[in-house]
Amino acid sequence: QSALTQPRSVSGSPGQSVTISCTGTSSDIGTYNYVSWYKQHPGGAPKVIIYDVTKRPSGVPDRFSGSKSGNTASLTISGLQPEDEADYYCCSYGGSYSLLYVFGSGTKVTVL
Amino acid sequence: EVQLLQSGGGLVQPGGSLTLSCAGSGVTFSTSAVSWVRQTPGKGLEWVSNLRGSGAVTYYADSVKGRFTISGDTSKNTVYLQMHSLRGEDTAIYYCARRSPSGSFYDYWGQGTQVTVSS
Repeated sequence: QSALTQPRSVSGSPGQSVTISCTGTSSDIGTYNYVSWYKQHPGGAPKVIIYDVTKRPSGVPDRFSGSKSGNTASLTISGLQPEDEADYYCCSYGGSYSLLYVFGSGTKVTVL
Repeated sequence: EVQLLQSGGGLVQPGGSLTLSCAGSGVTFSTSAVSWVRQTPGKGLEWVSNLRGSGAVTYYADSVKGRFTISGDTSKNTVYLQMHSLRGEDTAIYYCARRSPSGSFYDYWGQGTQVTVSS
């Protein structure tokens, strides 16, 4: 089972919106609502920004939102801010003992 | 404040062994699930192994099955990853991460530790 597919990079100007897609299969994203998104700055550990497809942990700005349709989950950043420039990873429950969790390939968000 | 403090890692020759540790503070691992997740520049994040509860249930990615062993010491509130028969493709930054009480996402991560397999 391969990693979830994400675009390598997306970019936008401050104030714009960007959307990152995360494509899996009917064995992971298509079946389970355990999709989470993580933000990672260079040299740092990942930090959750969305869980259970659409939920935001406390402290995460409401500019971040998540959704899912079929085998594809999406993360939208509205009103892009300079501090949003980072790497973003999706993650889904994999549903099998040998692939309990599967991560996306990662997307670099650049704020122009 | 919850912290996961990692130790271990370093440079090891192919075929060698290494043990990583992940000590929790502010969180009790015996009631949590903990994973090891590794990261390489080319492949991003990869789930490696998972320990649930007091260690009765373990899971491994196919790429490490039979070579890596995850375990926990409840008295030290620490989770370990013993790595044997290491290969070049195991070179990565290794993170421990706690699964949320609901089990649906990783809510806390360790600081990461570099493992380099090279002669």
